Amino acid sequence: AQSVTQLGSHVSVSEGALVLLRCNYSSSVPPYLFWYVQYPNQGLQLLLKYTSAATLVKGINGFEAEFKKSETSFHLTKPSAHMRDAAEYFCAVSLNQGNQFYFGTGTSLTVIP
Amino acid sequence: KAGVTQTPRYLIKTRGQQVTLSCSPISGHRSVSWYQQTPGQGLQFLFEYFSETQRNKGNFPGRFSGRQFSNSRSEMNVSTLELGDSALYLCASSPRSSGETQYFGPGTRLLVL
Repeated sequence: AQSVTQLGSHVSVSEGALVLLRCNYSSSVPPYLFWYVQYPNQGLQLLLKYTSAATLVKGINGFEAEFKKSETSFHLTKPSAHMRDAAEYFCAVSLNQGNQFYFGTGTSLTVIP
Repeated sequence: KAGVTQTPRYLIKTRGQQVTLSCSPISGHRSVSWYQQTPGQGLQFLFEYFSETQRNKGNFPGRFSGRQFSNSRSEMNVSTLELGDSALYLCASSPRSSGETQYFGPGTRLLVL
C-alpha cells in the first residue's frame, strides 16, 4: 500500500520567514507527486506537481518543492511567508494506475504577524 | 473554463436517510473522483469513474455508491446514513489518464444528525 507522511500537523512561522513543509512517500515505482492547498470552507487548489521533468518544481504563490528520490521526499518551501499563506497543505501521491490519489494527513500553516 | 461544481454545498440529514450528491466536472474532463474528508481520517478516496465506468474503488462500505453519466457528470449516493458519514465530500476531475492533475470542486458538507 502506498503512503504519504507529512511531518508536523501544525507549523507556525513568522511573516517573512522561510516556510518548510515536509512530505515523505513510500512507493515502489516513481510516483506523480502533488502539493495542494486548502483554505477554510473551500476545495483543494493545486500548488505544484512533480512530473519527472525536473527535480525542483516551481508552483504558484512563490512555492516550490524538490523531489529527492534517495530520501523519498518532496518537501514544500517558500522563502518568505505571507499572511495569506495561512491554510492547510496536503501532499499527494498518484501512481500510474488510474487517478487515485493518496493524501497525507495535512499540515496546518499559521503565519504570525 | 468553468471549474468543478458540486451541489448542494451544504446538506443536513438524519440517521437512516439516504443522500445523493452531484458533481459536474470541468468541460472535456472524463475522469471524476470522489473523496471524503473528515478531521479524524483526513482525505480518503471513495471511487473514480472514467467514461461511465468505475475504475478504482476505495475501502468504503457498499452503502457508498456512485455513477457517471455520458456527459461525465457524476453522482454519489450514500444509503442508510450514519453519524460517522458527516464529512466534506470532494469531487475532482481530470482530463483523462492516470497521473493527471486533479481539479477539485468546493465540496459538499454533509451533516448527519
